[in-house]
Amino acid sequence: VLLVESGGGLVQPGGSLRLSCAASGFMFSNSWMTWIRQTPGKGLEWVATIKEDGSEKFYLDSVKGRFAISTDNAKNSVYLQMNSLRAEDTAVYYCAGRNFESWGQGTLVTVSS
Amino acid sequence: EIVLTQSPATLSLSPGERATLSCRASQSVNIYLTWYQQKPGQAPRLLIYDASNRATGIPARFSGSGSGTDFTLTISSLEPEDFAVYYCQQRSNWPITFGQGTNLEIK
Repeated sequence: VLLVESGGGLVQPGGSLRLSCAASGFMFSNSWMTWIRQTPGKGLEWVATIKEDGSEKFYLDSVKGRFAISTDNAKNSVYLQMNSLRAEDTAVYYCAGRNFESWGQGTLVTVSS
Repeated sequence: EIVLTQSPATLSLSPGERATLSCRASQSVNIYLTWYQQKPGQAPRLLIYDASNRATGIPARFSGSGSGTDFTLTISSLEPEDFAVYYCQQRSNWPITFGQGTNLEIK
């Protein structure tokens, strides 16, 4: 089982980034997928979850309307489109699946001018 | 939002000793409580799910108990590789929330 995130980087406040997470080694189409972020100050923070069929999506209040989670089952991938980024979105972002049993290595997002 | 409070913040013990970590929820989470271990530079690793079920490959020295609002992670005899930060997490209600962590350090 492997989850590999990509797409992090430095972005100015108000900017956008799209994170990707490629999965392998398990039935991706049967798994709810989640994004979690971690900062030294706030610890681990759940961000968003998508049901295995994409029919339901759940978001942290502070990212609603700015972030969007989606999946592409043909590519075994989950995405996090992040718009209107703020300094407080700076964190390492992890994707997780298989009921949080599998995690990626994380990708760093830095929002700064 | 359900707040999870972990105690102690730091626990200093020696290899071979027993570790007892606590997680208290601000309201009932039934049994939907998960424990993770995290080492520096690594992603969290799932240890215990649904309060008392060990995840695949997790050694038997790790055990979890509790229901409702009070939960415990016990490591029966500490190995050198067990010194890390431990987090609890609830999935009973949205938003999913995490505790602030307990740092288990070598005495």
